[in-house]
Amino acid sequence: GQQVMQIPQYQHVQEGEDFTTYCNSSTTLSNIQWYKQRPGGHPVFLIQLVKSGEVKKQKRLTFQFGEAKKNSSLHITATQTTDVGTYFCAGNYDGNNRLAFGKGNQVVVIP
Amino acid sequence: KAGVTQTPRYLIKTRGQQVTLSCSPISGHRSVSWYQQTPGQGLQFLFEYFSETQRNKGNFPGRFSGRQFSNSRSEMNVSTLELGDSALYLCASSWGTGELFFGEGSRLTVL
Repeated sequence: GQQVMQIPQYQHVQEGEDFTTYCNSSTTLSNIQWYKQRPGGHPVFLIQLVKSGEVKKQKRLTFQFGEAKKNSSLHITATQTTDVGTYFCAGNYDGNNRLAFGKGNQVVVIP
Repeated sequence: KAGVTQTPRYLIKTRGQQVTLSCSPISGHRSVSWYQQTPGQGLQFLFEYFSETQRNKGNFPGRFSGRQFSNSRSEMNVSTLELGDSALYLCASSWGTGELFFGEGSRLTVL
């Protein structure tokens, strides 16, 4: 079935450093969404990317959608302890409301 | 405005029993999706309802079913529970497409 792969699954990041998490699909996506889930919490929407090559920024977070609309990345600069959590990408293949979530990238921030 | 409300938050069942989970979406949202979250598999899509009709369905056995009422509230039911059904069941509402708003989830433990 249609699925998205996230790498890495786990990251330990020193506070103040940058990190990137990646999302890949074998088939073209209609759009991709990113969510963040804090420990013990529920997923919270971060952003949606729709256009090929799209880049969006939210303060220290930069989201990219690949030219072929098969991959995406989330880059966080100057990591803070509040960035701890699991980041999920969710691919939408045909514009409907059936999202295929990746398994997430669990991020631990080392003070 | 109030967020997505899921009840019950925690429940314990034994194998062979059945369970019904409830989800009240954000006022005005007509789409309700259900996801199963487990540590090893991430978020797995169960089904989506829009205006009382099942619009999308994931790859779960027939023991998993759902419905949506005219006020957009949704229920999901799992019959003949198995140990592997232990998970966090997340409900998410939306206008129809785009950003999902998740509830806190119902954590089911099957003994």
